Amino acid sequence: GAVVSQHPSWVICKSGTSVKIECRSLDFQATTMFWYRQFPKQSLMLMATSNEGSKATYEQGVEKDKFLINHASLTLSTLTVTSAHPEDSSFYICSARLQGGNQPQHFGDGTRLSIL
Amino acid sequence: AQKITQTQPGMFVQEKEAVTLDCTYDTSDPSYGLFWYKQPSSGEMIFLIYQGSYDQQNATEGRYSLNFQKARKSANLVISASQLGDSAMYFCAMREGLGGTYKYIFGTGTRLKVLA
Repeated sequence: GAVVSQHPSWVICKSGTSVKIECRSLDFQATTMFWYRQFPKQSLMLMATSNEGSKATYEQGVEKDKFLINHASLTLSTLTVTSAHPEDSSFYICSARLQGGNQPQHFGDGTRLSIL
Repeated sequence: AQKITQTQPGMFVQEKEAVTLDCTYDTSDPSYGLFWYKQPSSGEMIFLIYQGSYDQQNATEGRYSLNFQKARKSANLVISASQLGDSAMYFCAMREGLGGTYKYIFGTGTRLKVLA
């Protein structure tokens, strides 16, 4: 149980393109999902907390107009990297958790984004 | 200041031996949770084990156990009988906050290599 699906796994696109990444909780409802960014050989950096039916909460230093988050249903959150540039190339990974403080986050398999 | 500290960037262990991965944390919240995740080279994050701040006993999950020393604020992961498939990046994470405002903070990770 508690499967999180993330799509696509790989994206290669030209600079200036907008890229949408989907994160779905397949067998549970997630009122909260999290979006992380991970640079090579580094830790996960929390970008934002996605809340169903309300605005996302962005971490300090993360541009909300650059990284648009939509959490329109209890099973889907999307991250759109707008007008992507090479410096946006990274590994993006989402997570969701069941209710309860002792519940772990369940992660999607991540999306490798390469902007040419 | 670092809230989660993993002081070992890399570790080697011989197959079938035990290994301890260190993690110290810093929080003023009385209620918090500590998690360990494994990240293979393929990128997905795999939940291993959880320890709650009020748990009296150390958590165990198969070959994984958590050496929780609350007064020292440490939550070391012990992997017994190491296997080649255990080679991966290991992240310690802390959940702090209340209810809907949970936030998860990750350490910088330890890369474990199991030797045949």
